[in-house]
Amino acid sequence: GAGVSQSPRYKVAKRGQDVALRCDPISGHVSLFWYQQALGQGPEFLTYFQNEAQLDKSGLPSDRFFAERPEGSVSTLKIQRTQQEDSAVYLCASSLWASGGHEQYFGPGTRLTVT
Amino acid sequence: AQTVTQSQPEMSVQEAETVTLSCTYDTSENNYYLFWYKQPPSRQMILVIRQEAYKQQNATENRFSVNFQKAAKSFSLKISDSQLGDTAMYFCAFIISGGGADGLTFGKGTHLIIQP
Repeated sequence: GAGVSQSPRYKVAKRGQDVALRCDPISGHVSLFWYQQALGQGPEFLTYFQNEAQLDKSGLPSDRFFAERPEGSVSTLKIQRTQQEDSAVYLCASSLWASGGHEQYFGPGTRLTVT
Repeated sequence: AQTVTQSQPEMSVQEAETVTLSCTYDTSENNYYLFWYKQPPSRQMILVIRQEAYKQQNATENRFSVNFQKAAKSFSLKISDSQLGDTAMYFCAFIISGGGADGLTFGKGTHLIIQP
């Protein structure tokens, strides 16, 4: 089957605009993660879903960031009133099981540029 | 909080050579997993190898092997018979075992270049 897909692949937003980034995980995967990867850095954890439940959102940098996975499959990461420091690649990953030790399958990412 | 340190920002070796990428981590947890992920220029992250902290035996996957030293909190990756397709960013990552909360903690990465 298909891997993890993300859309759009590239997004340019003017400062202050709202954006929505979509993640389609591998079908049947219980766990879904969002990461933020700044240029030249490793990914940083944003939030984690187990099915439709958001179990950890400790990595969300501000209350402008909001994520949901209402039916336990597709997830959306929304950023309100974008700022220049939000420019990064946003990676989504899914994993078959709930426990942390299993392989995470990553999508290609959405590169967000805030001008 | 967990931290992962990769001290080599960039490495370059000739094709067919063996190369070792270093990684150290810091945690107060006893049960966790360690990973090496590869991120080619297309940016899709791919798992290279995985190690369970409770296993003393080092993980191997074909040309890739690790040297896991739990007491020293060290987890290096050895690539044997390196190939041009191994050129990529390599990230060392850590996760606590259990419910998957917190996600992976990544190092800053090592840019590996395989020269023809």
